Order: sequence, then structure tokens, then C-alpha cells
Amino acid sequence: EAQVTQNPRYLITVTGKKLTVTCSQNMNHEYMSWYRQDPGLGLRQIYYSMNVEVTDKGDVPEGYKVSRKEKRNFPLILESPSPNQTSLYFCASSLSTRYNEQFFGPGTRLTVL
Amino acid sequence: DAKTTQPTSMDCAEGRAANLPCNHSTISGNEYVYWYRQIHSQGPQYIIHGLKNNETNEMASLIITEDRKSSTLILPHATLRDTAVYYCIVSPWGGGSNYKLTFGKGTLLTVNP
Repeated sequence: EAQVTQNPRYLITVTGKKLTVTCSQNMNHEYMSWYRQDPGLGLRQIYYSMNVEVTDKGDVPEGYKVSRKEKRNFPLILESPSPNQTSLYFCASSLSTRYNEQFFGPGTRLTVL
Repeated sequence: DAKTTQPTSMDCAEGRAANLPCNHSTISGNEYVYWYRQIHSQGPQYIIHGLKNNETNEMASLIITEDRKSSTLILPHATLRDTAVYYCIVSPWGGGSNYKLTFGKGTLLTVNP
């Protein structure tokens, strides 16, 4: 089944404790992206990657890192999480063709205490 | 990217057609209209997209006015499972520079028994 998977789905952590949220897709998509969703602010793009070893900042990249060493994986790294990073996070992927049809993962709900 | 305007909420009776409007009066010639939906904090789901012709797939129909300044998403026989927030998004051909999808507040469609 074609899908985007994220792990963990739920995470409660404390300020300053490094964490990684994994994202994997099995559709051989070139493009992958991370969004965060907050009440009243909608979905905002954090980082995106057009292909392996090609990443760039989205609208809200502060406090986050990403890497794209393999085509299928695009982990989101929070080196020193803070409470304002408490949010619902979504990973997405796309074939990167003419059309912007993106497939989204199920989401990761992160709480930073 | 062009901005879109949607009603905040709509109701629909189960089994009836749901017609969701969207205004995108500043759309430019190379921009497509996309519709996504999000069911209660799940990952957004692509529904349909179009440029200027009406489009239909297994999920929905998309009607775009001749001047392309507005569109309507039609769910022909709404079910309770169609209760979701529906987002109308305008995105350039080829995804633009970063394939970012700009999600507004969307329309909360509630399908009632």
C-alpha cells in the first residue's frame, strides 16, 4: 500500500531533550516536506526536500533540522525542543511532477513540557 | 500564490450533494485550483485539482468558472465520513519553487444523518 508513515505518533518530552521524528514513504517520491499545524495558524511548512541531499527552509524552520540521505526517509530533528514547538506535525511527499498532489502522513502529536 | 476565500462552515444532509464554494479572484494563468480535506486531525488528503475545465474523479467534481475567479467542489452523495475541513488551495503549475501548499482556514463541512 502506498503510504507515508511517521513515528512516533505521539510524544511527550521535556525542554532540551533532543528528539527525532521519522518520516518514510514507499512511493519513490522525490519531494518531501514537513508541516506543523497549530490552532488558529493552520498548516505551515517547516522544511522541504526536492531530492536526496537537497533540503531548504520553509516558512518556520527555526529550531528544526532535517536530513535527506535516502530518497524514502526525511527525519525531522529537534535538537533542543522548547514548549513553543508543541504542535501536530505532518510529513508529506510528492512525485514532484507538474501537479502538486501531495500525500500526507498520519501526523505526530508532540508535547514539550 | 493567490489567496482563497471559503465559508467557515457548512452543513449537508447525508445522501445529498455537498457544494463547497471557493473564491480565488487573484488567480493567475499558471495556477491550478486544488482541493484537500482533513478529517479530524488526520493528515490532509488530496481530493482533486483543475486548471480551467471541469474535473471529476471517484471522490468529487470540481467546477471552475470561466473567468477562473471561483470554483465549487461537489461531493455528489455526502456520507457521514465526509465530515471534514475542506481546503481550497491555489498552486502554480509545477508546484512553484518549493511545492508549498498554503492552507487557509478551510470550510468545516458537517454531514448530518
